[in-house]
Amino acid sequence: ILNVEQSPQSLHVQEGDSTNFTCSFPSSNFYALHWYRWETAKSPEALFVMTLNGDEKKKGRISATLNTKEGYSYLYIKGSQPEDSATYLCAVSGGFKTIFGAGTRLFVKA
Amino acid sequence: DVKVTQSSRYLVKRTGEKVFLECVQDMDHENMFWYRQDPGLGLRLIYFSYDVKMKEKGDIPEGYSVSREKKERFSLILESASTNQTSMYLCASSFDPGTSPTLFATNEKLFFGSGTQLSVL
Repeated sequence: ILNVEQSPQSLHVQEGDSTNFTCSFPSSNFYALHWYRWETAKSPEALFVMTLNGDEKKKGRISATLNTKEGYSYLYIKGSQPEDSATYLCAVSGGFKTIFGAGTRLFVKA
Repeated sequence: DVKVTQSSRYLVKRTGEKVFLECVQDMDHENMFWYRQDPGLGLRLIYFSYDVKMKEKGDIPEGYSVSREKKERFSLILESASTNQTSMYLCASSFDPGTSPTLFATNEKLFFGSGTQLSVL
């Protein structure tokens, strides 16, 4: 695994908007994909770990999908709330490495 | 509540000083990690330990060393701090089920500390 790309870098939405971000990665030697939420001044917290192509995970208003054949994962937030404001990190395990993307910084305005 | 605790939230040191960053986890995890986070970059692995007294270099080990004398504690040492080591340092731990294909690939979630913002002047 050479590089994990996250887009967009940052996102500003209004309370109640639904939003999604992308994590892209080389599909060879894939083992697992992790999503973390990192609020300012707090510890990054695991949201999901996914391993199988077609995996879908859900936690409250947040859900994620995984496509290992084409090398991407989407994270969706339905009805964004101000408390969703955070940096969302994607990490991909495969080969001999676990690589983190640079994150998507989400700002939700009340 | 499970915890990974880092000893300092903010630290200011001078160039050339020896710096110790301490991390303690209470989950009896085998694996412990030190990462640094810089603006615009993903978390980068400095060192990793999979057992007491065992360590593996990560992607950016130069200028750092580590110590794991007890299972719950993993220390990061900057032998002679330099300004380019100014960064946010994150410690993490994870359970090792023994099924991962390599030391570095895992489907076990990481538990992170809240980070130490180190400034080297």
